[in-house]
Amino acid sequence: SQQGEEDPQALSIQEGENATMNCSYKTSINNLQWYRQNSGRGLVHLILIRSNEREKHSGRLRVTLDTSKKSSSLLITASRAADTASYFCATLGSSNTGKLIFGQGTTLQVKP
Amino acid sequence: DVKVTQSSRYLVKRTGEKVFLECVQDMDHENMFWYRQDPGLGLRLIYFSYDVKMKEKGDIPEGYSVSREKKERFSLILESASTNQTSMYLCASSPLQEGHGYTFGSGTRLTVV
Repeated sequence: SQQGEEDPQALSIQEGENATMNCSYKTSINNLQWYRQNSGRGLVHLILIRSNEREKHSGRLRVTLDTSKKSSSLLITASRAADTASYFCATLGSSNTGKLIFGQGTTLQVKP
Repeated sequence: DVKVTQSSRYLVKRTGEKVFLECVQDMDHENMFWYRQDPGLGLRLIYFSYDVKMKEKGDIPEGYSVSREKKERFSLILESASTNQTSMYLCASSPLQEGHGYTFGSGTRLTVV
């Protein structure tokens, strides 16, 4: 069962611009996480936001969480060509079984 | 540098073969997971384990089994490989405590011919 849906499915921007990706989910969560995947490789954990948090920052990343709307956004500021990758949100349910449910991802292309 | 290691990056097997995908982590994590990733379908959980000799079915366990005899190793077994099991297989681990992300391996791209 897929929990999250990312929007947009694909995004193409110029280097230096900001990139915003959105994620919606269906059930109550313990936390929400964002991951990055370079082509053909494994996923890399970027940032985790708990259900009682509304915003979190890590370097050029900013994540917001709105539990009333069951949605999250990932903002990458001042994007670089090296940010080109797929980005996935994943939710840990409030029952905290340890299982993450992943969305289908947003493919970001940053043009030099 | 902590890591999850998957034994093969690319694998080609014949229909009907028994296939073993190995995953080893060096972080003493309790939880280990196997996902498959397909275009348009995202990541789907096959099996996971939260302790040695323990296993739980994920969303798509049919045609697969797993083994966890040691804490650091979690094996995915395709009992009789079929062409619809051609996919990217991703192993991940995480500590038992909430608040930590998963650490993923680099993936195994399996082709069944």
